[in-house]
Order: sequence, then structure tokens, then C-alpha cells
Amino acid sequence: GQNIDQPTEMTATEGAIVQINCTYQTSGFNGLFWYQQHAGEAPTFLSYNVLDGLEEKGRFSSFLSRSKGYSYLLLKELQMKDSASYLCAVWDAGNNRKLIWGLGTSLAVNP
Amino acid sequence: GAVVSQHPSWVICKSGTSVKIECRSLDFQATTMFWYRQFPKQSLMLMATSNEGSKATYEQGVEKDKFLINHASLTLSTLTVTSAHPEDSSFYICSARQQYQETQYFGPGTRLLVL
Repeated sequence: GQNIDQPTEMTATEGAIVQINCTYQTSGFNGLFWYQQHAGEAPTFLSYNVLDGLEEKGRFSSFLSRSKGYSYLLLKELQMKDSASYLCAVWDAGNNRKLIWGLGTSLAVNP
Repeated sequence: GAVVSQHPSWVICKSGTSVKIECRSLDFQATTMFWYRQFPKQSLMLMATSNEGSKATYEQGVEKDKFLINHASLTLSTLTVTSAHPEDSSFYICSARQQYQETQYFGPGTRLLVL
């Protein structure tokens, strides 16, 4: 079957670092996405990993290990505005070419 | 780049009426557009995938006669909720993808409230 797991909720402190994990089992794999979604808004694209390794983009980094079916999103120097839901999604080209979505991790950044 | 707009952002309608939502890619050609629905505190649920010039592919459990999708051009797709009922009240979000690209870019969403 197809499954994407990520923690439901996380809490962190302003200025700290937080790592949000995502594990997946899909029939096909053509890349993994991380999106950020603030309450009441649509998702915004953060990162796309198709090869193993770490991709850094400012305060956000995303890591992928295809052999382990594992990814993480790393947020550094947390700011209050980073409080949002973070969605992990796998592009499954073998499944009618669609994204398989996790349920999202709700991150609360406290002062 | 990669901006997607949706219109309207909010709509309130009476039960039994039809509502049309537009999704436009403003600075790129979207060969594929996706329509999602999201209920409060739940994840995105894909309703259908539409490719420009062809019929939409609906996900299991989504009534194609109730949710009419048209993708007549490379920059515009529309979703029409026909004979809307209160249970159709939700947050409808479209996304668009360029040919040979994997990333989907989302519109800002449309909140539908059916009274």
C-alpha cells in the first residue's frame, strides 16, 4: 500500500532548530516535496528532493534517503511566522502521476 | 514566477445552486492542473487531475457529474460545483504544473459556504 508518515504536532522555541521527519512507502518514487501551509491558506512550495542528500535553501533544508524511504525538513533560526503545518508529499509517477500526501505536521513556535 | 490565482476567494451560495471556481496560471503554461478539497484540520484530498484539452481524471468517490472540471486552455481550469449542498462547504484549492516539471504550485484557495 501507499503510506506517508509524519508527526502530527511539534513544538519549538523561537531561534531554535527543529527537524520534521517523514517516512514513506509508495509503489513508485519520482521525488519528495515539502510544502508549508499556514492556517486558512493554501500550501506554498518549500523544496523538492529527487536525489539522496541535503538541499539547503536559506533557513530551510531538506534531506532525502531513498533507500530508507525517509526525508526530513530542517528549520533553523525559528521565527514565530514559521508556525504552520508542514506537508510531506511523494510524487508517485507509477500511480497515475499524482502526489501522495502526508497528513501534515503542525508546528507551533513559542517565544 | 509560478503564480497561480483563484477566483473567487470566498463564495456563499444557497443550497441547490451551482458555483464556478476559476484557476489560472499567470506566468506559465499549465499542462496539468489539480483540484483539491480540504476540510478543517485535515489534509489535502485530491479530487481530480485535468490535462489541457482532455477530460479530467477523477479520484475514487468523487462524482464527476457533480464536480465539473474544464481545462480548455493552458492557463485556465474551472471547477463547477453543481447543485451545491451544505456538505459541499469546504476549502477548494487548485494547483498547476508545467510540462516536464514535477512541482505543483497552488492557488490561494476558494472557501465555499453553502447555506
